[in-house]
Amino acid sequence: QSILTQPPSVSGLPGQRVTIFCTGSISNIGAGSDVHWYQQVPGKAPKLLIYGNNNRPSGVPDRFSGSRSGSSASLAITGLQGDDEADYYCQSHDSRSSDLVFGGGTRLTVL
Amino acid sequence: QVQLMQSGAEAKKPGASVKVSCKASGYNFINYGISWVRQAPGQGLEWVAWIGAFNGNKNYAQKFQGRVTLTLDTSASTGYMELRSLRSDDTAVYYCARDRDYHLQHWGQGTLVTVSS
Repeated sequence: QSILTQPPSVSGLPGQRVTIFCTGSISNIGAGSDVHWYQQVPGKAPKLLIYGNNNRPSGVPDRFSGSRSGSSASLAITGLQGDDEADYYCQSHDSRSSDLVFGGGTRLTVL
Repeated sequence: QVQLMQSGAEAKKPGASVKVSCKASGYNFINYGISWVRQAPGQGLEWVAWIGAFNGNKNYAQKFQGRVTLTLDTSASTGYMELRSLRSDDTAVYYCARDRDYHLQHWGQGTLVTVSS
């Protein structure tokens, strides 16, 4: 059982917007710990998508955006494309132990 | 460019140990930490441990305390993860990743560790 909670799956049509939510607790996101997001294409290593709640590494399109509020965070993807099909993971850290914690992952399907 | 190159797949018997290496290039090794994350077949990501390359400080997930050891060879820009007393549920792909401010900026390609009798 993952420390952070994500929906197992989301889907959308090409061009649409989807949002993936990530719920934590007062020991991680709710304590002010930053949230980060990763994209993983099956069979490949994860790739950093969003860091520090809402920052994109160089090369990540601005179709991807993140936000954090209270003990939750979200990843929004606009203008859905076929190659956005992947697993998406949120990640934060425990404010007391400094352990990294992950969500269980959300499989995005582009219909 | 930043690269993390991991050692090859391993097949081990229950009770054995495995040591996975992660060679970094393209950046100043001692300026960042290395985290290790594993992914069992069909499952999500699970953080295992972290080591700071500057001073060797370590942090192990409680689940792996006593079974995992992280080490460094800073002269070779390489980190190592040793996992002992392997069980079948340790079968997973193990990733190393460059860690900065609690997020994982660059990942290795992964090392499959299979534990089976």
